[in-house]
Amino acid sequence: DGGITQSPKYLFRKEGQNVTLSCEQNLNHDAMYWYRQDPGQGLRLIYYSQIVNDFQKGDIAEGYSVSREKKESFPLTVTSAQKNPTAFYLCAIKDRDNEQFFGPGTRLTVL
Amino acid sequence: DQQVKQNSPSLSVQEGRISILNCDYTNSMFDYFLWYKKYPAEGPTFLISISSIKDKNEDGRFTVFLNKSAKHLSLHIVPSQPGDSAVYFCAASVRYGGSQGNLIFGKGTKLSVKP
Repeated sequence: DGGITQSPKYLFRKEGQNVTLSCEQNLNHDAMYWYRQDPGQGLRLIYYSQIVNDFQKGDIAEGYSVSREKKESFPLTVTSAQKNPTAFYLCAIKDRDNEQFFGPGTRLTVL
Repeated sequence: DQQVKQNSPSLSVQEGRISILNCDYTNSMFDYFLWYKKYPAEGPTFLISISSIKDKNEDGRFTVFLNKSAKHLSLHIVPSQPGDSAVYFCAASVRYGGSQGNLIFGKGTKLSVKP
């Protein structure tokens, strides 16, 4: 089975804790993205990576961190500095035609 | 400042009729436009795209129209089916523009197709 996987599907965190969301792909694409979706909002870009060992801040990077040590993996850490972390988080890859394809998402809830 | 706007938060249509979802953009550098469909608690799925060298692209029941002079695009769904009920996002980019190639999304329009 191929594609983009995100885990876990649902995640609960206590205030003050860091949490890491997983994103894995076996499609051999270089570019990977993290978005956040809130009710009534579009998808807002958190971080992106166009190649291994390189990543860039998106529009709302504060309180988040990422790493890109392997082509297949682009984990996102939601730190305690993120003031409003409860949201639906989406990972995406971009193909050569500049079309982005999304994983199934992770719903993060801060208790 | 929103570069991609979907001014209708919701749209209700009768089954079998046409659904028209609209999207406006402000950045004249955008040359590639995409529509995504999203069900609750799932990732968006790619529907259809259009390059700025075209003014129309069709794929089955879905047609996207681009009016560059008006900086406006629309997605037509004919005939609409209850399974089309979802949130539709419009996105735009400078297709091969490095970091400018990042997609800019509208806030979405929730389509409800009633049987």
